[in-house]
Amino acid sequence: NAGVTQTPKFRILKIGQSMTLQCTQDMNHNYMYWYRQDPGMGLKLIYYSVGAGITDKGEVPNGYNVSRSTTEDFPLRLELAAPSQTSVYFCASSSLGGETQYFGPGTRLLVL
Amino acid sequence: GENVEQHPSTLSVQEGDSAVIKCTYSDSASNYFPWYKQELGKRPQLIIDIRSNVGEKKDQRIAVTLNKTAKHFSLHITETQPEDSAVYFCAAHMEYGNKLVFGAGTILRVKS
Repeated sequence: NAGVTQTPKFRILKIGQSMTLQCTQDMNHNYMYWYRQDPGMGLKLIYYSVGAGITDKGEVPNGYNVSRSTTEDFPLRLELAAPSQTSVYFCASSSLGGETQYFGPGTRLLVL
Repeated sequence: GENVEQHPSTLSVQEGDSAVIKCTYSDSASNYFPWYKQELGKRPQLIIDIRSNVGEKKDQRIAVTLNKTAKHFSLHITETQPEDSAVYFCAAHMEYGNKLVFGAGTILRVKS
């Protein structure tokens, strides 16, 4: 099993551009999460999903959108990139009834 | 909502000494408390966890204790080694959405 994979590893965006961060898991987990981690800071929940077709906002959802059309994939969309979105983005997943979250390797995003 | 406070924010110890990191949580309904280790530039990885029906759990040099009455839990690392240097995050589980609320993190430096 590859676990949780994320692409790209690193991206530079110009202000106002848009992009999609990809997240895929092969563990058949129902729950998936997107976090952002600013330099020297903790993990803040952006959006989460409890299953295909169901998503909900986390602590810091403004400026982001998500969709969950399959169990495996949970993409995060940035529509109008702003410097405040410069961060490392982690995707995570957990099983139905299981609390342990497994993290992907992260995507480092720089908005200039 | 749930709030998790973590102390200290930084901790320096000599190799071979013990390290203790403490967390408090606010939601008395939380019943699962994991600890994650994050090395520089890497993803958070689960190192140990504890459930509310257990007061202490050990795994080699690391242990976690839980005091449900006081709503606090601690990570203990004995015989610290340079490879223990990392950022450690505690978290408390929220049943709604199967979410984790993370503490702000502790930077542990083990000096050799």
